[in-house]
This record gives sequence, structure tokens and C-alpha cells, in this order.
Amino acid sequence: QSALTQPASVSGSPGQSITISCTGTSSDVGSYNLVSWYQQHPGKAPKLMIYEVSKRPSGVSNRFSGSKSGNTASLTISGLQAEDEADYYCCSYAGSSTFVFGTGTKVTVL
Amino acid sequence: QVQLVQSGAEVKKPGASVKVSCKASGYTFTSYDINWVRQATGQGLEWMGWMNPNSGNTGYAQKFQGRVTMTRNTSISTAYMELSSLRSEDTAVYYCARVDTAMVTADYWGQGTLVTVSS
Repeated sequence: QSALTQPASVSGSPGQSITISCTGTSSDVGSYNLVSWYQQHPGKAPKLMIYEVSKRPSGVSNRFSGSKSGNTASLTISGLQAEDEADYYCCSYAGSSTFVFGTGTKVTVL
Repeated sequence: QVQLVQSGAEVKKPGASVKVSCKASGYTFTSYDINWVRQATGQGLEWMGWMNPNSGNTGYAQKFQGRVTMTRNTSISTAYMELSSLRSEDTAVYYCARVDTAMVTADYWGQGTLVTVSS
């Protein structure tokens, strides 16, 4: 199972919106509406931000939104804030209780 | 509140085995799968496998087949991940994560356990 492809880095100014893409295959992202997104600050465990493509867990800001088209999922952060600076990983269900992660994207707030 | 508390850092020699524990609290341990994910320094997240604490059933990523074993002790709500034949490339932080099978996502994570493989 190959890792999902994400851009290595994305940056934006405070208040702007940014979008992170996550490209998989017809065996993972394309087959299931089961893409999650995780935020990870340095030295910390990942935190769930989005699940089932576009759902937000309780407590996660509505500035975070997700979508999917074909084999590519996307995470959009609107109204970018300094605290959003972190690494972001997508993760897709790949069948038979298996998962595959994306390569990760470093978000920089300029 | 849901918590997953992992065992402390380990230093192992190449060829040895390591067993990391993950103690769950704040929920019914047997109602959610436990997955294990690792992250080498400066690298991305890598899914290793899953275990159903109720049945004990497991599934491993192909990369780790034959080297990883995931078990549990339901009486103390603890999951274990053992990795054998360690090599330097296995140096990483190992995370356990609770997988909500309804949401099909890892909603709670342990704090991570650093395993260092060095001669």
C-alpha cells in the first residue's frame, strides 16, 4: 500500500484560506468516503480534525472543512491563524480494516 | 475522559524485540479497535496494523507481517505491540490509537513511545 500524496508544504497569511490536497487511488480514497485529516504539532500526538471526508469532531473549529472528488481529498483551512501552523496528514480507509496515511503537509503561517 | 497511556521510551540493540503497552481508560476497552502507527524522526505517519480487543483478531500492514504481534489483556484494558528483529530503521515514535468503527477513524491517540534501535 503506497502512501497517499500530499504537497510537502503550504503557506498562507493570517486570515487567508489554504487547501491541502491528498491524492490516492481507486483502492483507497476513491473507493470509500472514509478520509480523515489529522493535525500534528511538533512533539505531540496527532489530533483528529476531519473524518468521513467532511465531518468535524466536537470541539474542532468550523474553519476546518473537508471534501473529496474522485481519488483526491482536500482539507481547507479558512481564516488561517498562527495556531494552525502544524503538520497535516490525511488518512484513508483501504478496505479489510486497513488504513493508509498521506505523506504529510507542513502548513506555515506567514 | 478517554485516555490511552503508553509505556516509556526504550533503547534496544539490533536484532532484539520491543513490546510497547497502551493502557486504555474512560471507555469500554473491548468496544473499539486499537491501531498502531509509527513515525520516524522528521518523517510521516505509517500505519502498522489493528487489533480488535474483544476477539483478539488482528491485521497487519504487509511491511510488518512476520515481525509484529498485537495482543491485549482485557482484564487490565491494555493493548500491546511487539516488534521483533529490530533494525536501525525501526527507530521511531510508536503510537496506539483508538479506532471508532462507526466513524472509521482514529479518534484518540496515546502520547507515543520512542523506541531507539542502536548498537
